[in-house]
Amino acid sequence: EAGVAQSPRYKIIEKRQSVAFWCNPISGHATLYWYQQILGQGPKLLIQFQNNGVVDDSQLPKDRFSAERLKGVDSTLKIQPAKLEDSAVYLCASGISGDTDTQYFGPGTRLTVL
Amino acid sequence: DQQVKQNSPSLSVQEGRISILNCDYTNSMFDYFLWYKKYPAEGPTFLISISSIKDKNEDGRFTVFLNKSAKHLSLHIVPSQPGDSAVYFCAARLDNQGGKLIFGQGTELSVKP
Repeated sequence: EAGVAQSPRYKIIEKRQSVAFWCNPISGHATLYWYQQILGQGPKLLIQFQNNGVVDDSQLPKDRFSAERLKGVDSTLKIQPAKLEDSAVYLCASGISGDTDTQYFGPGTRLTVL
Repeated sequence: DQQVKQNSPSLSVQEGRISILNCDYTNSMFDYFLWYKKYPAEGPTFLISISSIKDKNEDGRFTVFLNKSAKHLSLHIVPSQPGDSAVYFCAARLDNQGGKLIFGQGTELSVKP
């Protein structure tokens, strides 16, 4: 079974530039999560989708971050414009149905903002 | 507001001995606790979990203990192996929050041969 795929794996940008990350969850998984992991901290949930609907985006900085999952499968996370403090690993995870099931994580995208 | 805390950033253990990783939490509404293991350049992988109605769950060399009165859980690895060297994250889930996990800061375990 293929795992959660993410691209790119690494990205370096200047502050105020824009960047987008892509995630392809495990086939058949209805729930998709985006987490931000800053160095030395644990992952922090940014947004959770159930199919193509948003379940929780309470910790998403909506003035600069946006995410979509239009067809209920792949998802993109965008930052526009980026700030220095956005430097982190962005992790995508998926689960069968949310709530009680295990979340499976992708390898993450390491973003460096200069 | 750090609801899940792992106060030891690192732990070093000799191969064959026991590794004990600790985690404290503040929210009594957490209903499920999980441990994830993370190797460099990889995403976290699920290791073991425990429901708030239990005080112990065992899976092979891994055992998780939950002390609700102290709001404390621990992961025991016996015997420790060099391949266990990784960062371990404790995570907690709020009841009826759609699966949202709140993670601790992680503890880096190093198992020396």
